[in-house]
Amino acid sequence: NAGVTQTPKFRVLKTGQSMTLLCAQDMNHEYMYWYRQDPGMGLRLIHYSVGEGTTAKGEVPDGYNVSRLKKQNFLLGLESAAPSQTSVYFCASSTTSGQGANVLTFGAGSRLTVL
Amino acid sequence: AQTVTQSQPEMSVQEAETVTLSCTYDTSESDYYLFWYKQPPSRQMILVIRQEAYKQQNATENRFSVNFQKAAKSFSLKISDSQLGDAAMYFCAYRRMYSGGGADGLTFGKGTHLIIQP
Repeated sequence: NAGVTQTPKFRVLKTGQSMTLLCAQDMNHEYMYWYRQDPGMGLRLIHYSVGEGTTAKGEVPDGYNVSRLKKQNFLLGLESAAPSQTSVYFCASSTTSGQGANVLTFGAGSRLTVL
Repeated sequence: AQTVTQSQPEMSVQEAETVTLSCTYDTSESDYYLFWYKQPPSRQMILVIRQEAYKQQNATENRFSVNFQKAAKSFSLKISDSQLGDAAMYFCAYRRMYSGGGADGLTFGKGTHLIIQP
């Protein structure tokens, strides 16, 4: 199993440009999450989804939008990138039942630089 | 809101020795989960160990064990017989336990950088 796959792994943007990060999971997990990781800050939750067609705001949602049109995919969009959005972005997913319930499985991360 | 505090930005230990990483958290909930995740230089987040708050017995996974003190809201990670491959950032994380659906992810501490001296 591939688990959680994020694309792209690296991207450089100019201020004001837009882009979308794609997260795909093949574990049939119900819940999906987007986090950002900054030096000395740990991981902070941007948005999350508890099912297809549903999304909710996390701790740091400003400047980002998300969509979950299919259960296996969770998209993170930046409409007008700012240097403050330079970060490493992690997608994660989890199931609601069984031994793996409440354990997040993470993707490998996507490094975004905004100039 | 829940908060997770890791007071040790960096720890260093000799190979084969034992090291303990500290974590405290603040919550008004009685049911929750606690986790330790490891992040090596590859950047991949790897689950090390999990503890359910309703379980009094401390979780153990091979060389990794926790000391869970619910009243003190403390959740430390002990690594025995440290190996070079244990070098990484370690994150403590909290998750509220939900009944009937809904889950808003994990709250993470800022991490402890563990260095293993050969």
